[in-house]
Amino acid sequence: DIQMTQSPSSLSASVGDRVTITCRASQSIITYLNWYQQKPGKAPNLLMYAASSLQGGVPSRFSGSGSGTDFTLTISSLQPEDFATYYCQECYSGPCSFGQGTKLEIK
Amino acid sequence: QVQLVESGGGVVQPGRSLRLSCAASGFTFNNYGMHWVRQAPGKGLEWVAVISYDGSNKYYADSVKGRFTISRDNSKSTLYLQMNSLRPEDTAVYSCAKDHSSGGARLGLDYWGQGTLVTVSS
Repeated sequence: DIQMTQSPSSLSASVGDRVTITCRASQSIITYLNWYQQKPGKAPNLLMYAASSLQGGVPSRFSGSGSGTDFTLTISSLQPEDFATYYCQECYSGPCSFGQGTKLEIK
Repeated sequence: QVQLVESGGGVVQPGRSLRLSCAASGFTFNNYGMHWVRQAPGKGLEWVAVISYDGSNKYYADSVKGRFTISRDNSKSTLYLQMNSLRPEDTAVYSCAKDHSSGGARLGLDYWGQGTLVTVSS
């Protein structure tokens, strides 16, 4: 099965900062990579799909890139509501898998 | 609006079985693949299983393969997860989620239920 590794596991940043989260797959997944945001006690929210496509209703400060094994999620200017945990997910072959998550905290 | 409502969770002893249900509404259920995802208390998301829109294809995480079975009843717009031989490490909130795209493409999970808690303990 494909393993997904996110880095960093946690990150402290300030409102207005530009932040990048990385996700690496154990083998090529082309662009079958999705990103989610999860706030405490809430269901995950789909942010990006197919590596770089912005889900409807998601602010344009979120962007995604990458292909093959290496992917990034970038938040161009952090807003207070962006402090949450972020997960990447692959669904390249039959099974899917999530990264371990990146907790984004206020500095 | 799309709604996914899970039920069937509870406290169960190790080795016993439990069946979860996910009632779907607000979309054409038989057009979309459906997933189960779990999250242990204080831990990250763990993908569990997926079933294709017509039930012909099913895939499982290694951690549940051979013990859990995903199924669906399109006439009732309901998704199921039969969990056998439960272990303490299966303790988690189990959520159902809908594929973003219809057909077979895996382009994210765009709607999620709030989940049902399964606790495996003696």
